[in-house]
Amino acid sequence: AQSVTQLDSQVPVFEEAPVELRCNYSSSVSVYLFWYVQYPNQGLQLLLKYLSGSTLVESINGFEAEFNKSQTSFHLRKPSVHISDTAEYFCAVSEPLRWNNAGNMLTFGGGTRLMVKP
Amino acid sequence: DTEVTQTPKHLVMGMTNKKSLKCEQHMGHRAMYWYKQKAKKPPELMFVYSYEKLSINESVPSRFSPECPNSSLLNLHLHALQPEDSALYLCASSQVNTGLFFGSGTQLSVL
Repeated sequence: AQSVTQLDSQVPVFEEAPVELRCNYSSSVSVYLFWYVQYPNQGLQLLLKYLSGSTLVESINGFEAEFNKSQTSFHLRKPSVHISDTAEYFCAVSEPLRWNNAGNMLTFGGGTRLMVKP
Repeated sequence: DTEVTQTPKHLVMGMTNKKSLKCEQHMGHRAMYWYKQKAKKPPELMFVYSYEKLSINESVPSRFSPECPNSSLLNLHLHALQPEDSALYLCASSQVNTGLFFGSGTQLSVL
């Protein structure tokens, strides 16, 4: 069975400061890893994903995450946040064997609320 | 088109009503999902359809009835709901190695 732990339920940070949102997972097999962002009153948007290859993955809006297999972590970072980054961020894992057109079950972490202050 | 479209955006219903939530995608994805999300919580999987067939039902009460009329459409029929069923209902779709694409959701209130 898989599980995902997001260590911080809330992260307050000032605008233009760096931020790290932590995500640790447990799984008995190799996994795929995802970060989703949810703005108020909206659905979830895929921010970035790690499937294989380079352990550092980047999104188009300046976020990056690094897969660390030895520490079973997939922390999300941004060097300089904006007010518009205020949202709920969810880390999720999926086992590759279940990742096919037969459907996929993501296991979500509890979420981290990023609050960017001016 | 990389969108998953859900209607309606908001729905208020009584416990004796019958209503339906609708979801549509035109990305050619062959897996579609219904999730339920309570406030300040992560989404919880309800149903998964693969190639228009129900492949996963996460022990959801029978007052929720999913339907997949074709590869682009997914419905969730609601009947005799309880106030605790009030939540954001999210539809998603996926293909191999894409991650799930979510719609904006239907905010449901059961009175």
